[in-house]
Amino acid sequence: DIVMTQSPDSLAVSLGERATINCKSSQSVLWSSNNMNYLAWYQQKPGQPPKLLIYWASTRESGVPDRFSGSGSGTDFTLTISSLQAEDVAVYYCQQYYGTPNTFGQGTKLEIK
Amino acid sequence: QVQLQESGPGLVRPSETLSLTCAISGDSVSSDKSTWNWIRQSPSRGLEWLGRTNYRSKWNRDYAESLKGRITISPDTSKNQMSLQLNSVTPEDTGIYYCAGTGSYYRTWGQGTLVTVSS
Repeated sequence: DIVMTQSPDSLAVSLGERATINCKSSQSVLWSSNNMNYLAWYQQKPGQPPKLLIYWASTRESGVPDRFSGSGSGTDFTLTISSLQAEDVAVYYCQQYYGTPNTFGQGTKLEIK
Repeated sequence: QVQLQESGPGLVRPSETLSLTCAISGDSVSSDKSTWNWIRQSPSRGLEWLGRTNYRSKWNRDYAESLKGRITISPDTSKNQMSLQLNSVTPEDTGIYYCAGTGSYYRTWGQGTLVTVSS
């Protein structure tokens, strides 16, 4: 199985500041035939299911604010929130869909400083 | 838009069978463009993919290796839903069970249903 490791486990950022969450996969999730990274990011708020934010490592889901962006390739990926808003407090997960089973990172809890 | 709704018992006794249903609206369980998944979440195991089904000229099913022999995912075209059966449950199977679709990344999730395995 591909192991997804996120860092940090928790993060406190001031309102309006940048938040950066990292995700590393135990093997590359870049498919060479189409040059696509099979990596998604989700946001989960208490009592809710995860919500898709980013897929193909950098494609923002419809309706997701443009302060959320994804980057990276191969085994190293980053989710960036450019200017933290109060409603962004949540746990964030990365997920690879390159291999079966699809696997998730352990989550990063984002709080307001 | 696509909506998913899980249902089933909230309490299951150890060694018995966990049975859940996911009702699908806004799409078809037999769509040749969609894949339907079961995912669970617990504090000890995090988010864990359990298995999936889709229809591509025939029905396909994939299961997590750790659950093979205990898990069955079945589509029901007459009711446009899919079901999950997990046999011989233990307290380790306690968690929130979600159905999710529609591709390899999960654009749509149900609200989840909490299943507790306890005597």
